[in-house]
Amino acid sequence: AQTVTQSQPEMSVQEAETVTLSCTYDTSENNYYLFWYKQPPSRQMILVIRQEAYKQQNATENRFSVNFQKAAKSFSLKISDSQLGDTAMYFCAFRERSGTYKYIFGTGTRLKVLA
Amino acid sequence: EPEVTQTPSHQVTQMGQEVILRCVPISNHLYFYWYRQILGQKVEFLVSFYNNEISEKSEIFDDQFSVERPDGSNFTLKIRSTKLEDSAMYFCASSLLRGGSNTGELFFGEGSRLTVL
Repeated sequence: AQTVTQSQPEMSVQEAETVTLSCTYDTSENNYYLFWYKQPPSRQMILVIRQEAYKQQNATENRFSVNFQKAAKSFSLKISDSQLGDTAMYFCAFRERSGTYKYIFGTGTRLKVLA
Repeated sequence: EPEVTQTPSHQVTQMGQEVILRCVPISNHLYFYWYRQILGQKVEFLVSFYNNEISEKSEIFDDQFSVERPDGSNFTLKIRSTKLEDSAMYFCASSLLRGGSNTGELFFGEGSRLTVL
């Protein structure tokens, strides 16, 4: 069975600094998707960034980038130039590429950006 | 920007009572989901729904749970006889395509917190 592990329950970072959130996963599949979702306080979870396992190039979205290490089954999120609005819970998630509707989530990392 | 809305935001109920959590998915979406998160634990998949039937469910989704799309806009999760361990945040999500298709994106609501006493 697939599992997703986020080993950092809470983190903090100074505004304008860079922070990296860790995620590891376990699967026997070769084709799958990985995601980082962000949930600001009292708001919806929104997609931050996605990575397709068959793509070697790491995904980037503005200040957000990932370090995808397929062999190590690691998928970390780097937030550059942190902003106060980045304060949120961040969830790492996994989905097989086909055959299922469900996402497997980690327990989340609560990130606080300090002024 | 269209979004998924959920009601109620918080419900407190007595053990054994029936609860209905409501969701309004994004209007042109075709696939609907319920997830839950027990405090401090992982977000867990409960069920997915397409074309007026369950397409996939987890082992958590037992006979006490049911889902329905009664009127083409709402998507509901019913818990027939709540237990203490049903206390959790319940998230509704929708996607245009299957599992978000190759874009993989689910759109989530803010969640409904259920407290069972």
